[in-house]
Amino acid sequence: KQEVTQIPAALSVPEGENLVLNCSFTDSAIYNLQWFRQDPGKGLTSLLLIQSSQREQTSGRLNASLDKSSGRSTLYIAASQPGDSATYLCAVRAGGFKTIFGAGTRLFVKA
Amino acid sequence: GAGVSQSPRYKVAKRGQDVALRCDPISGHVSLFWYQQALGQGPEFLTYFQNEAQLDKSGLPSDRFFAERPEGSVSTLKIQRTQQEDSAVYLCASSLESQVAQPQHFGDGTRLSIL
Repeated sequence: KQEVTQIPAALSVPEGENLVLNCSFTDSAIYNLQWFRQDPGKGLTSLLLIQSSQREQTSGRLNASLDKSSGRSTLYIAASQPGDSATYLCAVRAGGFKTIFGAGTRLFVKA
Repeated sequence: GAGVSQSPRYKVAKRGQDVALRCDPISGHVSLFWYQQALGQGPEFLTYFQNEAQLDKSGLPSDRFFAERPEGSVSTLKIQRTQQEDSAVYLCASSLESQVAQPQHFGDGTRLSIL
């Protein structure tokens, strides 16, 4: 059974700091991995989607890497800003149509 | 708007009542997903539609939960004889095609509270 774990559960950093969020999954047979952002009371916003054949994706200050063999992904946020404060979720698409989510990392960037 | 729209945003019901939650996906999107999100947790998969066909309903927690998408666009999630453990945020997502390469676009959800 696929399980997705995110570490840390919560993180507080000063503005301007570079940071790394971690995601691990138990079954390496995935189609893709997606990172989302969720603001309080809102739905999820897709940040980056990495196909199983890819190693990383970049968008602006965000970079996500994928190591299927070790069951790990990292989301790197450069030069963090208060507006980055949110919950970050990773999700894997494995067999069938299910997407399995982690519980998220709650990020707070202090001004 | 161009995004996924869900209604109502908030729903309060008494235990035992039936509720219906609506999802309007992005126009032209083939795939539609329903998720249940408990407080402080990630979303949990409920069911998946490809056009009007419900191809996976393995995540529905009981036979009190029923979903439909009769014309391949708008979808409704119905919960019969609601119980307190049904209280959660229900999220709908759509994607352009059925291939796994497409990202999912989420609505803001319906927050359901069962008293």
